[in-house]
Amino acid sequence: EAQLVESGGGLVQPGGSLRLSCAASGFTFGSHSMNWVRQAPGKGLEWISYISSDPNNIKYADSVKGRFTISRDNAKNTLYLQMNSLRDEDTAVYYCARRALVGKFDPWGQGTLVTVSS
Amino acid sequence: QSALTQPASVSGSPGQSITISCTGTSNDVGSYNYVSWYQQHPGKAPKVMIYDVSNRPSGVSNRFSGSKSGNTASLTISGLQPEDEADYYCSSYTSTNTLEIFGGGTKLTVL
Repeated sequence: EAQLVESGGGLVQPGGSLRLSCAASGFTFGSHSMNWVRQAPGKGLEWISYISSDPNNIKYADSVKGRFTISRDNAKNTLYLQMNSLRDEDTAVYYCARRALVGKFDPWGQGTLVTVSS
Repeated sequence: QSALTQPASVSGSPGQSITISCTGTSNDVGSYNYVSWYQQHPGKAPKVMIYDVSNRPSGVSNRFSGSKSGNTASLTISGLQPEDEADYYCSSYTSTNTLEIFGGGTKLTVL
């Protein structure tokens, strides 16, 4: 069974940095594109970043472009999200999810909470 | 870019059917058959219920069905059960800078 497990969340001050990880198991990680999706407390879902399997194709939402960097290590079956210049509005649960450029997000990880506050 | 438009809440009694609408534009729902629906219980990760407008992943009950007409997609749940009570989100591929756009979510209450 395909499974994703995020880690790395926590409390960080505005302007700070954090790196999230997403460990994959139960499928051939290196053959699949991956994404990060976030959900602010009590709010809806927001797609924020995509990386292809190779990983030559990368996309970002305008809200994080220039501040966040997505990457992957196929040898370690792990997806990353480097978050810099964090703002209050980046406070959210961050989910990793498997998906190509189109189609369904499936599966999702359990999420990791990032809180940006002084 | 604005989120897809969903009703904030819907409700129904056990055994009844309900429909949740999801309205977008010609940049997303209206032009692509890449609409998905996700179910999210409190404190849990979303789970895909419908993808590519009307396809059901294996393991998802056939009580869940999806359709699309113009810029509006719909999720129908028939034979409502208490465990269907959750938040539901639609999403669509978009031709704008954003790869995927989500709806604001609909809270389903099973009375």
